[in-house]
Formats: sequence, C-alpha cells, structure tokens
Amino acid sequence: QLLESGGGLVQPGRSLRLSCAASGFTFSSFQMNWVRQAPGKGLEWVSSISGSGDRTYAPDSMKGRFIISRDSSKNTLYLEINNVRGEDTAVYYCAKDGAIRWTFYSWGQGTLVTVSS
Amino acid sequence: DIQMTQSPSSLSASVGDRVIITCRASESISRYLNWYQQKPGKAPQLVIYAASNVQRGVPSRFSGSGSGTSFSLTITNLLPEDSATYYCQQSYSPPSSFGQGTKVEIK
Repeated sequence: QLLESGGGLVQPGRSLRLSCAASGFTFSSFQMNWVRQAPGKGLEWVSSISGSGDRTYAPDSMKGRFIISRDSSKNTLYLEINNVRGEDTAVYYCAKDGAIRWTFYSWGQGTLVTVSS
Repeated sequence: DIQMTQSPSSLSASVGDRVIITCRASESISRYLNWYQQKPGKAPQLVIYAASNVQRGVPSRFSGSGSGTSFSLTITNLLPEDSATYYCQQSYSPPSSFGQGTKVEIK
C-alpha cells in the first residue's frame, strides 16, 4: 500500500515536501517513483529513485527544483519541490516499480498540490 | 527523448463492442510498453505490461500486442466499467514517457 501526504495550498516561490508511506512489501528492494497529473491533463513522470537510494532519475524539465529521496528506516518516499510555480499544480502520485523497471505496478491515491497566492 | 503518441484521443463504443487503442513510439522500444487505466478521481492502474502481459487481477477481455514502435490495446466485449482513460507508457529507458491518453466512453 502507498499513502501520499503533504499536499495542499502553497504560495508561488515556496517549498513543499510530499511524503509517501509504503507498507506491505520490502521497501528497500524496489525503485520508487513520482508521477504527476495537472487538472484535466495527462500523466507526467517526475522522478525516480533506486531501491538503495544511491541513484536518482528525472527528466531535464524536473531537474533542479524537484528532489527525490527515501528513508528505508521509515519506509517512506519523499519529494521536495522548491520554488513552486503555478504549473506545478497537480495531483502527485507515488508509484512502485516491480520486476520490470520503469513499470509502475502500484500507485498511491495521490496528493493534490495547488500553487496560488 | 522518446515520444509516445496515442490514437484516437477519445472514442465512444457500445457494450459488447471490441475497442482498439493504438500507441506509437518515436523510436524502437522493443516490447517495453505498458498500458494503464484511469477512472475519474482515481489513481491509474496497470493493465498490461511488457506489451502483452495482463496484470494480475485484470480481466482477460484486455489484451495487448505490438513491438518496436507500434502497439495496441484491445478490449473485447466492452463493459460499462471499462469507461476510463487509457494511457500507454514506455519503460524502455528514462526519461519515462506517457501517451496523451485515450478516453473511452460507453454509448
């Protein structure tokens, strides 16, 4: 099970940290991912982190402001978003990899981030 | 970066129909192609992985095919609960990318 939290209303330019609590599987064995969906739009991959946490991946458009991390002692995945912009308004989902990397086998319910002054 | 293009963007079909959604990659991705179903207000769910493997718990009326750059998702005997938006996604290499989605409506 994956349960996101940390979303809400945030002012432009501020920072925000999202969390994803994982249960029911060996957290450190799986790559974890963040995917977002702007209102009425499609899915967009944000970032991924290896099971050990030593490698992170993100599209060029997300590098710099989005920082993914994980704490295996807490079975929790994080996404820090810095200098938030209006275009960051979206539902943010965490998703778990499986036997095939970059395949999102299970998803959380999502947490909504709204950027507005 | 690999671009994914789905067609059609939406379709309307009747219960019992066969529906086919296509997805094209801008370069070869072998069989690293997944399909997700998303219902309004819900998280996406994996339906098909590695082009043709049906995810556990998904009804057998869902099937996938293709390789290289051309793929398809077929829903046979369409049911009302299949009304959703379907996304393809390439898992060949990062940056991972999704198609723009196909909305399936029931007439």
